[in-house]
Amino acid sequence: ETGVTQSPTHLIKTRGQQVTLRCSSQSGHNTVSWYQQALGQGPQFIFQYYREEENGRGNFPPRFSGLQFPNYSSELNVNALELDDSALYLCASSLQGNEPQHFGDGTRLSIL
Amino acid sequence: GENVEQHPSTLSVQEGDSAVIKCTYSDSASNYFPWYKQELGKRPQLIIDIRSNVGEKKDQRIAVTLNKTAKHFSLHITETQPEDSAVYFCAAFSWAGGTSYGKLTFGQGTILTVHP
Repeated sequence: ETGVTQSPTHLIKTRGQQVTLRCSSQSGHNTVSWYQQALGQGPQFIFQYYREEENGRGNFPPRFSGLQFPNYSSELNVNALELDDSALYLCASSLQGNEPQHFGDGTRLSIL
Repeated sequence: GENVEQHPSTLSVQEGDSAVIKCTYSDSASNYFPWYKQELGKRPQLIIDIRSNVGEKKDQRIAVTLNKTAKHFSLHITETQPEDSAVYFCAAFSWAGGTSYGKLTFGQGTILTVHP
């Protein structure tokens, strides 16, 4: 069974740039959720994808967007990067919403 | 929306002692409560979970209790070991009414240090 994988592991960007983060879900999992984890904080829900559609969103602006592909892998896109976007971005997959969510190792994004 | 409060923020124990971390939630419709362990620089790892139709669940040295009336749940670790040192997060799952969408809301985390 293949676990959740994310790429890249680390990324450095400057303010105003755009970034794309990628996630491959665990085998058989059709639901992908994205979280932002600031240093010393718990993960904050960004949005969830189910069957290639956004299925719910947390308190994040529209410059945070995503995609899910037919193989259930997913992308998180962030436009017009701000300093406060510096964080660990985690992807989690599950069979459906209230089933156990399994996390990837995350992408550490630093904005200069 | 759901709000999860977690206490304490830091917990220091001696090896072999027990550790207890407590969380409260606000949404009475929340029905699934996982606990995650996150070591420095690593992914959150699911260690135990409980659903709202169960009051207690145990897995070796780890147990979770749920009080739906009071809207709180707790993680109990017995016979702690230095390798239990990590940040522990509680979370609550709630459905958005009338949709198939639901989300996990996390507590702020507890830094557990187990001294040899």
